[in-house]
Amino acid sequence: GQNIDQPTEMTATEGAIVQINCTYQTSGFNGLFWYQQHAGEAPTFLSYNVLDGLEEKGRFSSFLSRSKGYSYLLLKELQMKDSASYLCAVESGGYQKVTFGTGTKLQVIP
Amino acid sequence: DTEVTQTPKHLVMGMTNKKSLKCEQHMGHRAMYWYKQKAKKPPELMFVYSYEKLSINESVPSRFSPECPNSSLLNLHLHALQPEDSALYLCASSQEEYEQYFGPGTRLTVT
Repeated sequence: GQNIDQPTEMTATEGAIVQINCTYQTSGFNGLFWYQQHAGEAPTFLSYNVLDGLEEKGRFSSFLSRSKGYSYLLLKELQMKDSASYLCAVESGGYQKVTFGTGTKLQVIP
Repeated sequence: DTEVTQTPKHLVMGMTNKKSLKCEQHMGHRAMYWYKQKAKKPPELMFVYSYEKLSINESVPSRFSPECPNSSLLNLHLHALQPEDSALYLCASSQEEYEQYFGPGTRLTVT
């Protein structure tokens, strides 16, 4: 089976930096996705990590440690529109088989 | 065109009805997916089609029947559903192992 853990909720201030952690236990790990989902909308892709290390993409960065079963999403210069759920998703047991974590609901406050 | 479209947006059906959800993409993606998402829960994978063949079935009850008529279309046929099947049904597509593009979903209510 798989176990993917994320904090349920986080609150951060506009303009600040926030780090959302994800830990996982799985066999046949291929890669890890981060998706953003606004309430009532479909998830949108943010990042995909296969190798250890940090991937930077504008205000968003994602880190992966395969040996530790750990990833984080770093959001810089927070904006009000970043208030959403952030879903960590593990691809394992073959490509295309993706399991989502429970998601972290981020609230950005002024 | 980087869009996945789904119809209908909303569907209300009785437990004895038969209905179908439709999904379409024109990005040339060879993998298409159905997910089920209950309120405040993450999406749960139901089915994956790869090159128009069913490659993953996550032990979904037979009252859900997927179909992939061609590489751009994906259907989900519904029959004899239960009220607990009420959820948002998301379709997604991807090019091999890369990111999945999600459609807006069909919000299904079973009465």
